Amino acid sequence: SQQGEEDPQALSIQEGENATMNCSYKTSINNLQWYRQNSGRGLVHLILIRSNEREKHSGRLRVTLDTSKKSSSLLITASRAADTASYFCAPVNDYKLSFGAGTTVTVRA
Amino acid sequence: DTGVSQNPRHKITKRGQNVTFRCDPISEHNRLYWYRQTLGQGPEFLTYFQNEAQLEKSRLLSDRFSAERPKGSFSTLEIQRTEQGDSAMYLCASRSGSDTQYFGPGTRLTVL
Repeated sequence: SQQGEEDPQALSIQEGENATMNCSYKTSINNLQWYRQNSGRGLVHLILIRSNEREKHSGRLRVTLDTSKKSSSLLITASRAADTASYFCAPVNDYKLSFGAGTTVTVRA
Repeated sequence: DTGVSQNPRHKITKRGQNVTFRCDPISEHNRLYWYRQTLGQGPEFLTYFQNEAQLEKSRLLSDRFSAERPKGSFSTLEIQRTEQGDSAMYLCASRSGSDTQYFGPGTRLTVL
């Protein structure tokens, strides 16, 4: 299965701190995407990183990709209460997104 | 709003009834996907359309499920003879030639 597996399952941090979550996958990929989901809502696309890229930034988000280790990480800097959500990685080697169970991030005020 | 829209947002039905959900993708997105998400899990792929052609169906899509995209624009997902195990959030996503999939708000189905 190409399913992404996020780690940790849950993360609780203080507002202003950084949050880091990791994603591992099993086979080769074309790209890997990160999504955020607020409770009971649809998924919001955060960032896409291609297999030939090693790092990508978008605002307070930083994503890395290590294809030799088949892993990716998402860093959220200077977290805010509004960052409280579940975060999913989705490795892609055809056209399907294959999600894991996600990392639930709680940002405490 | 030009995002992906889904209707209804919530559906409560009794076991054995049929339900139909609708997805309107972003205009001119020729690729459309359906996913199902149960509590505490990530979305699972159900099926994929390119224009009006259904190109792949997951094994999760039993014979009671059918999806259509008759004119290559909106899509419907029908579940016949619903079971309690069908209770989930049904998500639709669309994309154009780029790799990014844009998701709708989902339809939450509760089967009593």
